[in-house]
Amino acid sequence: GAVVSQHPSRVICKSGTSVKIECRSLDFQATTMFWYRQFPKQSLMLMATSNEGSKATYEQGVEKDKFLINHASLTLSTLTVTSAHPEDSSFYICSASGVAGGSYNEQFFGPGTRLTVL
Amino acid sequence: QQQVKQSPQSLIVQKGGISIINCAYENTAFDYFPWYQQFPGKGPALLIAIRPDVSEKKEGRFTISFNKSAKQFSLHIMDSQPGDSATYFCAASRRAGNTGKLIFGQGTTLQVKP
Repeated sequence: GAVVSQHPSRVICKSGTSVKIECRSLDFQATTMFWYRQFPKQSLMLMATSNEGSKATYEQGVEKDKFLINHASLTLSTLTVTSAHPEDSSFYICSASGVAGGSYNEQFFGPGTRLTVL
Repeated sequence: QQQVKQSPQSLIVQKGGISIINCAYENTAFDYFPWYQQFPGKGPALLIAIRPDVSEKKEGRFTISFNKSAKQFSLHIMDSQPGDSATYFCAASRRAGNTGKLIFGQGTTLQVKP
């Protein structure tokens, strides 16, 4: 199946700093990428949907100025958490879907990034 | 109307038993229903998925049963193994005019006892 990677897998930062998380589709072109956050023992919450070369569409309640998403190529999307605070500590997961990545609507998920803000 | 309701929240099954997880949806426009398996600290992985034109799909020990009129679908894990212990999420999405955004259920934590 299609492979999606995330980097870093784990990051610890100080309050007020910005953190960038990369999501890459390794063996297919991802026309659409999704960013989720997941709190312990909870479901995945969609933050935003991004299409290559266009602005991301954010879900209601997600601050677009705080969570900057860039989908600059068909294999790379980045999520930048700006001025991170302890409440931003969470598990961030990306997924990707594309023409060669499987059947329609199939999303392939990355391994996740654990963000801890001190 | 966009919600997908999943039950039970947690499930304990003996090795060799059948694990059953249920989901219900409201939006009749949904036309793709996947199940994901997630281990602690990992991203979800697609287990099996179904479209509403069939009532059942089986892959190995995993079966999805789909009831379109009741707007319900369920995952059956036959001969459950300790390695199946994980959190399972159902989801739903629609194709037309959509990027494939998934609506997830709340998740079920499955523990298979040896």
